[in-house]
Amino acid sequence: DGGITQSPKYLFRKEGQNVTLSCEQNLNHDAMYWYRQDPGQGLRLIYYSQIVNDFQKGDIAEGYSVSREKKESFPLTVTSAQKNPTAFYLCASRQGVRSGNTIYFGEGSWLTVV
Amino acid sequence: GDSVTQMEGPVTLSEEAFLTINCTYTATGYPSLFWYVQYPGEGLQLLLKATKADDKGSNKGFEATYRKETTSFHLEKGSVQVSDSAVYFCALLDSNYQLIWGAGTKLIIKP
Repeated sequence: DGGITQSPKYLFRKEGQNVTLSCEQNLNHDAMYWYRQDPGQGLRLIYYSQIVNDFQKGDIAEGYSVSREKKESFPLTVTSAQKNPTAFYLCASRQGVRSGNTIYFGEGSWLTVV
Repeated sequence: GDSVTQMEGPVTLSEEAFLTINCTYTATGYPSLFWYVQYPGEGLQLLLKATKADDKGSNKGFEATYRKETTSFHLEKGSVQVSDSAVYFCALLDSNYQLIWGAGTKLIIKP
């Protein structure tokens, strides 16, 4: 099946630990995104990447890091510097301009600090 | 900058009622417009989209028309079901290929 796969679905982090959320897509999309969603709230952009080996900070990048070494993969690391990381994290990718520019989302990952 | 405003929720309706969720936007140019739906505990699913003025997006009985003159993209459905209960987000794609989001509208359908 084509799509965006996020793992794990649920993750627990201890104080002071870094954790990495995986995002893989087989849609051949160049652009990928990470969003954060707090309970009952909308989405806020963390990082985005328009092409391999390039990425930019979004609105709330502090305490997060990403890499884009492969077109298919855009992992997000939540570092210990992120003081309130408990949230729902959504990965997305975008069709090319000629294909309609639509952004599609994965199923999300729940991160809880324990 | 670009912005999206959608009606606040929750919106509570009885099954088989007519649904309208209002969405208006401000933007430079003519952005693509989207409705996404989020069921409890899940990611976002694209519900429908429109890429130019007067386009009508439709899916699963939902419709929305891109109205340039009123800068609107209201979501409608003729007869809602309990399974339509979810949060609905209106969004536009700006010139930097970023989604600008409305605040989301929670829809509750009672049997």
